[in-house]
Amino acid sequence: DTGVSQDPRHKITKRGQNVTFRCDPISEHNRLYWYRQTLGQGPEFLTYFQNEAQLEKSRLLSDRFSAERPKGSFSTLEIQRTEQGDSAMYLCASSTPPGYPSTDTQYFGPGTRLTVL
Amino acid sequence: AQSVTQPDIHITVSEGASLELRCNYSYGATPYLFWYVQSPGQGLQLLLKYFSGDTLVQGIKGFEAEFKRSQSSFNLRKPSVHWSDAAEYFCAVGALESSGSARQLTFGSGTQLTVLP
Repeated sequence: DTGVSQDPRHKITKRGQNVTFRCDPISEHNRLYWYRQTLGQGPEFLTYFQNEAQLEKSRLLSDRFSAERPKGSFSTLEIQRTEQGDSAMYLCASSTPPGYPSTDTQYFGPGTRLTVL
Repeated sequence: AQSVTQPDIHITVSEGASLELRCNYSYGATPYLFWYVQSPGQGLQLLLKYFSGDTLVQGIKGFEAEFKRSQSSFNLRKPSVHWSDAAEYFCAVGALESSGSARQLTFGSGTQLTVLP
């Protein structure tokens, strides 16, 4: 069990640039979640996928943000025209399919820390 | 809308002392409750969870939590704290689908635990 992995672990970019993060869930986990965590706060839900279908999006996910999971395995989160307010830790989590053991539990990756200068 | 309040931003205890971290939630239906721990630069690790049944739940690393519906609380406890327990602790409430799968989690703002030698 390799756990949820995220790449890169750290990203520094200039305001206005586009960035893309990748998340690889635990194998056989068909659900994948994205959260954002700012300093001193708990994670906030952004969106989640079941297989390749994006089932729910938070209002936090502005039109500059887009998430994909084209083959139902890894997912990418892209932020276009980054702003300083986008600086945060972006966390990915995954869970097993409905009906499987521990389907109620989300397993988190180490996160990608984004700094927008 | 669901919400979680962790009233204590920072708690300091001596090694070997007992610990209680407070969590209050607001949720319209039967809550699904979690405690996660986050060490610096790391993702979140699940300590324990509650959905139904015995209101006192046991978790990993010697932690336990008690669900009190009348007080809308889910406090985390440990009888004897170790230096390695120093970390940030997050309480979360989630919605469950009829299949038992978890949807988005709503987190509190966290409690930072410092352990004195």
